[in-house]
Amino acid sequence: AQSVTQPDIHITVSEGASLELRCNYSYGATPYLFWYVQSPGQGLQLLLKYFSGDTLVQGIKGFEAEFKRSQSSFNLRKPSVHWSDAAEYFCAVGSPTGANNLFFGTGTRLTVIP
Amino acid sequence: EAQVTQNPRYLITVTGKKLTVTCSQNMNHEYMSWYRQDPGLGLRQIYYSMNVEVTDKGDVPEGYKVSRKEKRNFPLILESPSPNQTSLYFCASTDRQGSYNSPLHFGNGTRLTVT
Repeated sequence: AQSVTQPDIHITVSEGASLELRCNYSYGATPYLFWYVQSPGQGLQLLLKYFSGDTLVQGIKGFEAEFKRSQSSFNLRKPSVHWSDAAEYFCAVGSPTGANNLFFGTGTRLTVIP
Repeated sequence: EAQVTQNPRYLITVTGKKLTVTCSQNMNHEYMSWYRQDPGLGLRQIYYSMNVEVTDKGDVPEGYKVSRKEKRNFPLILESPSPNQTSLYFCASTDRQGSYNSPLHFGNGTRLTVT
């Protein structure tokens, strides 16, 4: 069965500092992996996705994520956080044969302090 | 503007009183889905629809119904709401069945409270 673990419920970083949000997945084969961001009062927006190929993927808003098969991880990174990045971030995994059903992690809330 | 529209944004109701949360998308998407979001549990899929008149259960379908009579609309129906259905609900859509190449587009959510 597929599952996603985001071990950090809440992270606080200073504006301008680097960021890494952790995501570990459980799946029998290479899954499809996603990061979504949810701003307060909004729906989720796709930041980036990984299907195959280059294990370092670039997304919108300056985010990137690296797929590491050996660690079953897909961590999200940003070199310099902006105050507007404060939001909740969800990692999700999908089956290559699934009908667009994504399994979401429990989310990591990011607070950015001046 | 391409969007998924949910109504209402906020709803407070009492146990047992039937309600419907509407979802409409203007992108001609085939696939639509409902999720509920609960603290510490992330998003869980309730029902999804691959196309008109085609619906299927997700991970937590108990207590919910859906219908897909038209491509653009995918209402979520709670026939007899209970307090454990208090949650934040999201509708989502995308344009290709079984494909992840197009992202899910989410509505802004409906916060439901059942007393």
